[in-house]
Amino acid sequence: DTGVSQDPRHKITKRGQNVTFRCDPISEHNRLYWYRQTLGQGPEFLTYFQNEAQLEKSRLLSDRFSAERPKGSFSTLEIQRTEQGDSAMYLCASSFREDYEQYFGPGTRLTVT
Amino acid sequence: GENVEQHPSTLSVQEGDSAVIKCTYSDSASNYFPWYKQELGKRPQLIIDIRSNVGEKKDQRIAVTLNKTAKHFSLHITETQPEDSAVYFCAALLKLIFGTGTRLQVFP
Repeated sequence: DTGVSQDPRHKITKRGQNVTFRCDPISEHNRLYWYRQTLGQGPEFLTYFQNEAQLEKSRLLSDRFSAERPKGSFSTLEIQRTEQGDSAMYLCASSFREDYEQYFGPGTRLTVT
Repeated sequence: GENVEQHPSTLSVQEGDSAVIKCTYSDSASNYFPWYKQELGKRPQLIIDIRSNVGEKKDQRIAVTLNKTAKHFSLHITETQPEDSAVYFCAALLKLIFGTGTRLQVFP
């Protein structure tokens, strides 16, 4: 499968715990995006990378959230001290360049109890 | 701030009828306007996109129109089929600000 993959697909955690998600983009794609989607809403932009450089972070991204793309390939999104409000689907997408199609991964569904 | 407004939030049509979903955007620098279809429990998938140098684009039963002056763009689905039932999202670059979605139901 040469599409965008995400791991894990589901994560249940207790409030206050840290969680880390991984995204593997399509190999030739330079851009990698993270979005959060809650039920009935459109995906909300969180952050994006051009190769290994994190170019923008949403105001929605509190300091409990951090993302990395150390070698310009896969990316990780970490949430520290999770809160119930963090429960959502976290989607990763990649694209060849800015104004090209973004291909979405299957998402990681986070449930914070 | 940048935002994308999408209307209607729900749309019910009879099979064979046309469906139109409209979006307006605020950032005049936006130059790429994709439409995504998301079925329940699935990832968003691109169905059509348009760039700012084009006013209209068509792909079989799906078309998108763009009015850069008015900052709005629309998705048109003709001859709707039950498998078109899904949530549709418009988006505008620069960093893909998504609309709130339109739940389309096509009744056979």
